[in-house]
Amino acid sequence: EVQLVQSGAEVKKPGESLQISCKGSGYSFNSYWIAWVRQMPGKGLEWMGIIYPDDSDTRYSPSFQGQVTISGDESFTTAYLQWSSLKASDTAMYYCARGGPKYSDYEGRFDYWGQGTLVTVSS
Amino acid sequence: EIVLTQSPGTLSLSPGDRATLSCRASQSVSSSHLAWYQQKAGQAPRLLIYGASSRATGIPDRFSGSGSGTDFTLTISRLEPEDFAVYYCQQYGSSPWTFGQGTKVDIK
Repeated sequence: EVQLVQSGAEVKKPGESLQISCKGSGYSFNSYWIAWVRQMPGKGLEWMGIIYPDDSDTRYSPSFQGQVTISGDESFTTAYLQWSSLKASDTAMYYCARGGPKYSDYEGRFDYWGQGTLVTVSS
Repeated sequence: EIVLTQSPGTLSLSPGDRATLSCRASQSVSSSHLAWYQQKAGQAPRLLIYGASSRATGIPDRFSGSGSGTDFTLTISRLEPEDFAVYYCQQYGSSPWTFGQGTKVDIK
């Protein structure tokens, strides 16, 4: 069974750093894109970026380029989303989602999702 | 960046009604690389449709997708109580992949 299990909720202060994780199981982790999606309170879905674990190819939405870092550890079948200095406006639910194989016709569809990690940034 | 505009913002319907949701792209979406997702309160999104018209595994056939180029439609033929939710379209034909702002289908 394909599963994406995310790390637990976080409460942080502005300026602090943070890394959240997404562990994949039940499939060949290296062979599928993993995406990160933000959902601010009461708002819609925003595509942040993606990583292909096999070759670490990473792409960012212009809105998030330079604001976060996406990485992966194929040996632990885990993807990460990292902030070096959080802001109050980073308060949101963050989802990871599995895309398709690179260059496949469905590489960008997200067929499995993690349960979400709620990040709260407040002084 | 391709901007996806969904309409209407809210659709108020009754169980058994037909729902028609629209997603319009600011540029042509290549190879019909468009997906639809359903999100219920407190849950992660669920893939319904990909490739504009292919149902994902386990999705009932009352859900159908159509369209190409810049205009796409999600149709729910007869609304069941569990279908009242927010629906998002997403394009993956051009980076950055983007989502529409969502359509809420609520009970009239």
